Amino acid sequence: DAGITQSPRYKITETGRQVTLMCHQTWSHSYMFWYRQDLGHGLRLIYYSAAADITDKGEVPDGYVVSRSKTENFPLTLESATRSQTSVYFCASSESATGGYEQYFGPGTRLTVT
Amino acid sequence: AQKITQTQPGMFVQEKEAVTLDCTYDTSDQSYGLFWYKQPSSGEMIFLIYQGSYDEQNATEGRYSLNFQKARKSANLVISASQLGDSAMYFCAMRNSGGSYIPTFGRGTSLIVHP
Repeated sequence: DAGITQSPRYKITETGRQVTLMCHQTWSHSYMFWYRQDLGHGLRLIYYSAAADITDKGEVPDGYVVSRSKTENFPLTLESATRSQTSVYFCASSESATGGYEQYFGPGTRLTVT
Repeated sequence: AQKITQTQPGMFVQEKEAVTLDCTYDTSDQSYGLFWYKQPSSGEMIFLIYQGSYDEQNATEGRYSLNFQKARKSANLVISASQLGDSAMYFCAMRNSGGSYIPTFGRGTSLIVHP
């Protein structure tokens, strides 16, 4: 399917477990992003990537790890999940020949840490 | 530092009427981009419209238009002829043109369209 996909869409995990959220885009966009969305906090940037093998921290990176070995994939790993990481996670990509760099978002992953 | 302010936590509009969602921004950059996104109750974030800081005309996309007032640093979204499907959260965002192209998002405005 064309576009940007995330998997799984829903995940329940236990405190202390490692969990990886997958993100795949078919547009070959240079930029990719991971956000978390929580009530009262809006969208908060976790990590972003400007190209394959280039990643950088966003506003709330602690407890998360990313990698980008291929342009189309940008997985997010929670090394040891905590209850505070219960959230909805969005992956996004952007690119624009006209300079807009609008973002296109995946459908989101709802993660619950028990 | 960039900042986006959406002062209306909630808005109500009658179906078929127009509605304006407010967004003000703060930046010291001369070159920047402004965006609006829609998030319906199903959860996905949908890009609606983009305005570049050097664009002289207000951006329009179908029933959406962006009322860009550079001197006032405002980028209000106008939805004409509201439909029930327009009920959603709306987020204003901005990115500067230098550096990392990382956008800053506002807290959002909830719009409810009444029949």
